[in-house]
Amino acid sequence: GAGVSQSPRYKVAKRGQDVALRCDPISGHVSLFWYQQALGQGPEFLTYFQNEAQLDKSGLPSDRFFAERPEGSVSTLKIQRTQQEDSAVYLCASSSVTQTGDEKLFFGSGTQLSVL
Amino acid sequence: LAKTTQPISMDSYEGQEVNITCSHNNIATNDYITWYQQFPSQGPRFIIQGYKTKVTNEVASLFIPADRKSSTLSLPRVSLSDTAVYYCLVVPAYSGAGSYQLTFGKGTKLSVIP
Repeated sequence: GAGVSQSPRYKVAKRGQDVALRCDPISGHVSLFWYQQALGQGPEFLTYFQNEAQLDKSGLPSDRFFAERPEGSVSTLKIQRTQQEDSAVYLCASSSVTQTGDEKLFFGSGTQLSVL
Repeated sequence: LAKTTQPISMDSYEGQEVNITCSHNNIATNDYITWYQQFPSQGPRFIIQGYKTKVTNEVASLFIPADRKSSTLSLPRVSLSDTAVYYCLVVPAYSGAGSYQLTFGKGTKLSVIP
């Protein structure tokens, strides 16, 4: 596709509900990342996929967060039993190469999650 | 990874040149300096990257002195549409554990005034 696409654009959840956030990366991009951005802060790393393999999940804040990319393209970030502190913008990014730090990322517009 | 320090906010009038300076005293030999731009309700967008001296593209220029302990992003003749948050990042140019984890910080909020 033309860019990284994320859905839904906005999600409101009641505390305790499970949510699933979708990311469609740029076609053919090998690397896929999830970042979390709290209000007024910069994005923070959550997890990294190289094709279908999740190589790094060190940034996931708790075991309620789970990400998958089963066929090496679309990815889903799932949050179980949402809490108010999970309210943030969740950004997906992709890159055409196996990631080194100096390769630029292409970000989607994010999913704004509000937990009431 | 080297920590970066940049101003929290800046104001500028339309048509002026804007320079945003970022300090990164602990930058390592194989680190690059990268800048991202983020508009409200959008994800960050890569704008420029450099290692030393000067880099220029259609959007901005990046000046890096010889000691590489700081860098300056220069935006020529800004317009209202340049109002955004600008992030300075130090990124390692190698493949390895954690090398791809970009550290954004809070960035510099640039407000362009008519």
